Amino acid sequence: KAGVTQTPRYLIKTRGQQVTLSCSPISGHRSVSWYQQTPGQGLQFLFEYFSETQRNKGNFPGRFSGRQFSNSRSEMNVSTLELGDSALYLCASSLRTGALIGEQFFGPGTRLTVL
Amino acid sequence: AQTVTQSQPEMSVQEAETVTLSCTYDTSESDYYLFWYKQPPSRQMILVIRQEAYKQQNATENRFSVNFQKAAKSFSLKISDSQLGDAAMYFCAYRSGRGTSGSRLTFGEGTQLTVNP
Repeated sequence: KAGVTQTPRYLIKTRGQQVTLSCSPISGHRSVSWYQQTPGQGLQFLFEYFSETQRNKGNFPGRFSGRQFSNSRSEMNVSTLELGDSALYLCASSLRTGALIGEQFFGPGTRLTVL
Repeated sequence: AQTVTQSQPEMSVQEAETVTLSCTYDTSESDYYLFWYKQPPSRQMILVIRQEAYKQQNATENRFSVNFQKAAKSFSLKISDSQLGDAAMYFCAYRSGRGTSGSRLTFGEGTQLTVNP
């Protein structure tokens, strides 16, 4: 079974631009979560999608948004990029959400650099 | 809000020896899960071990075991017979058992483990 895939793996953007990152979960998984990893703030939860609905949201500004499609693939979008948005963006998938979530599997991440 | 603290930014161990990584957490919940994840240089997060708060028995996975002290809110990871492939950043993580919290993980700052040959 293929693992979680994220595209692109590396991305360079300039301040003010917007970016879209993609995450394809493991086949059959319906929950996708996104995390931002930076040296200063560590790993922080962005949001979770399950069955095309946002179930949880972390403490990030409205410039960060996401969505999930009927095939469970998820995208996250960052508008008006700032230098501080440079980070490794990780997504994780699981079969379910809530109390019976089971194990979460992480993708390899997308490294975003904002110049 | 829950917090997770790893007080050891870096640790080192000799190959074949044992090392213990520390983690403390703060929560007012009684139902939760704790995890140790490993992040090698490839940056792929890999689950090492998990512990359900309602279980008194410490979890074990081959060379990896935990010391879960619920009252003290402590969750340490012991790696026995350390191997070169164990070198990585290790993260302690918390997940609420409340259904409304979903899959949200709260991570500690991480401990960089070096294994010396």
